[in-house]
Amino acid sequence: DTAVSQTPKYLVTQMGNDKSIKCEQNLGHDTMYWYKQDSKKFLKIMFSYNNKELIINETVPNRFSPKSPDKAHLNLHINSLELGDSAVYFCASSASRVKDTEAFFGQGTRLTVV
Amino acid sequence: AQSVTQLDSHVSVSEGTPVLLRCNYSSSYSPSLFWYVQHPNKGLQLLLKYTSAATLVKGINGFEAEFKKSETSFHLTKPSAHMSDAAEYFCVVTTQGYGNKLVFGAGTILRVKS
Repeated sequence: DTAVSQTPKYLVTQMGNDKSIKCEQNLGHDTMYWYKQDSKKFLKIMFSYNNKELIINETVPNRFSPKSPDKAHLNLHINSLELGDSAVYFCASSASRVKDTEAFFGQGTRLTVV
Repeated sequence: AQSVTQLDSHVSVSEGTPVLLRCNYSSSYSPSLFWYVQHPNKGLQLLLKYTSAATLVKGINGFEAEFKKSETSFHLTKPSAHMSDAAEYFCVVTTQGYGNKLVFGAGTILRVKS
């Protein structure tokens, strides 16, 4: 069983569209994250949720809206997609929000905006 | 602010020879440091972590890293490279403050020649 799973794995869409990426973890963790890896492979945190509560919100355009229906799921919805949104998006989870808790990552979703 | 600098973007070694991937950190307090590995088209996997206990940290697959405060370094080593070690490696620091936020280095691509 995959611990942290993301769907879809690949997503190609046109500028201006709205799309969602789903993430689920079966580890029983309390905390989930979204990270963005740009074309230069640089990884940066976007959001973190703990038990459905938003606890980290980096400087991300408000076109990006995370949603956590329960603590096992953290979805990422993106409105009005732009070329610059093309990247690999990684979902992750950890047992708690406590600093230094190991994070487990999904396989990533490669988003290409054309 | 906490940050890490990976000194080499690419490292190439022959199978069976030692591996050294270099990482320097910058932190205003005693940091926690990690190494993550990303194999092609896969998610990130934790190799090892340092959280102010023993300065020499052993990880999976024969990797280890030594925390050197005087040099602000956390270099990753392995005595003998294997073909399966070819991947991208990220040095990571956690930030002080609320939440478990990882700050990634730019990554080092390790190539292993037969």
